[in-house]
Amino acid sequence: GENVEQHPSTLSVQEGDSAVIKCTYSDSASNYFPWYKQELGKRPQLIIDIRSNVGEKKDQRIAVTLNKTAKHFSLHITETQPEDSAVYFCAASITPSWGKLQFGAGTQVVVTP
Amino acid sequence: NAGVTQTPKFQVLKTGQSMTLQCAQDMNHNSMYWYRQDPGMGLRLIYYSASEGTTDKGEVPNGYNVSRLNKREFSLRLESAAPSQTSVYFCASSEEGQGAHGYTFGSGTRLTVV
Repeated sequence: GENVEQHPSTLSVQEGDSAVIKCTYSDSASNYFPWYKQELGKRPQLIIDIRSNVGEKKDQRIAVTLNKTAKHFSLHITETQPEDSAVYFCAASITPSWGKLQFGAGTQVVVTP
Repeated sequence: NAGVTQTPKFQVLKTGQSMTLQCAQDMNHNSMYWYRQDPGMGLRLIYYSASEGTTDKGEVPNGYNVSRLNKREFSLRLESAAPSQTSVYFCASSEEGQGAHGYTFGSGTRLTVV
């Protein structure tokens, strides 16, 4: 089955700097890669996703890049703000299907003022 | 719309007790899932239901059972709770196919087994 590895496990950045989280996946058939943000005590929420027919996707200060050949994808957060502090999870799945996601272990991002 | 509703939010069980976690979604999604979240281990799939009337095991099914009662509801049962089942449990639902836009999660159930 699919295996997703996520690095780093913790990331501390100065407010205004950029943050990058990287994930690798094992199954070359995976074609859907979402990212979730989980604030302390809250549910994970989808922040951005990318499909394998696209190399990059941006939404304001966040972007995701995908390298299908190397089987890795990354989340980029620019101009970080204290409200970006959270745990971020990457995931991968094969679609069309019933959409089962395999999650990475998560990255704790701390943005310091 | 409420999205995905989970009950209860918190529960303390004694070892050997049983309980059922309830989950309901109002988005007309076909697929529903139960995950557990433990520190440093991300979200691990317990069971899933691709559509009404079907269920299947995920990565960590031992000690759990599920019921897809109808399209809206998907419950998780612990028959004989163990301390290793102390965790935060999330229910989620999703659309299927190329139009899928990821999961919608419930607010979670924090379960402690003593």
